[in-house]
Amino acid sequence: DGGITQSPKYLFRKEGQNVTLSCEQNLNHDAMYWYRQDPGQGLRLIYYSQIVNDFQKGDIAEGYSVSREKKESFPLTVTSAQKNPTAFYLCASSPTGRTEAFFGQGTRLTVV
Amino acid sequence: AQSVTQLDSQVPVFEEAPVELRCNYSSSVSVYLFWYVQYPNQGLQLLLKYLSGSTLVKSINGFEAEFNKSQTSFHLRKPSVHISDTAEYFCAVSRYSGNTPLVFGKGTRLSVIA
Repeated sequence: DGGITQSPKYLFRKEGQNVTLSCEQNLNHDAMYWYRQDPGQGLRLIYYSQIVNDFQKGDIAEGYSVSREKKESFPLTVTSAQKNPTAFYLCASSPTGRTEAFFGQGTRLTVV
Repeated sequence: AQSVTQLDSQVPVFEEAPVELRCNYSSSVSVYLFWYVQYPNQGLQLLLKYLSGSTLVKSINGFEAEFNKSQTSFHLRKPSVHISDTAEYFCAVSRYSGNTPLVFGKGTRLSVIA
């Protein structure tokens, strides 16, 4: 089945540790995105990539890093510099020339 | 830059009653408009979209939204809701050019009461 796979679904980490969230798509989409969701805040853009080996910061990029070495993969690293990392993280992708985004099932990160 | 305001954070409604979820946007350029639905602990699913043409767009499960350029609105309506419509609904906007990230509102939690 075609789609976007985020793993793991739930992730627990100790404060001060870096953690990497996986996002893989087999839709052959060029663009990929990472959003953060907090209760009552909607979705806020962290990073996005419109093509392999290129990415841009979103509105809340501080404390996060990404890479785009392959078209189908766009991992997000939450670093120890992110002051409040506990949140629901959503990955999305969109086809070339289209703006509608298709979402994965999300990863809930809890930092203790 | 674009922005989206969803005027109600929570909307309770009785089953089989009509509902309207309000969305206003701000943009200096032409935009595309979307409504997404999210069930608990899941990703977002596209409900409907306005790209061009008819200003009234409909989904397969009875929702509809009307693009009103003069009022910069894209309100979502359903004439008769079901328990299964209980979810969070997000309005989103993007610029006309392709592959630009969506900008989301803060969401409206629709609770359908039996």
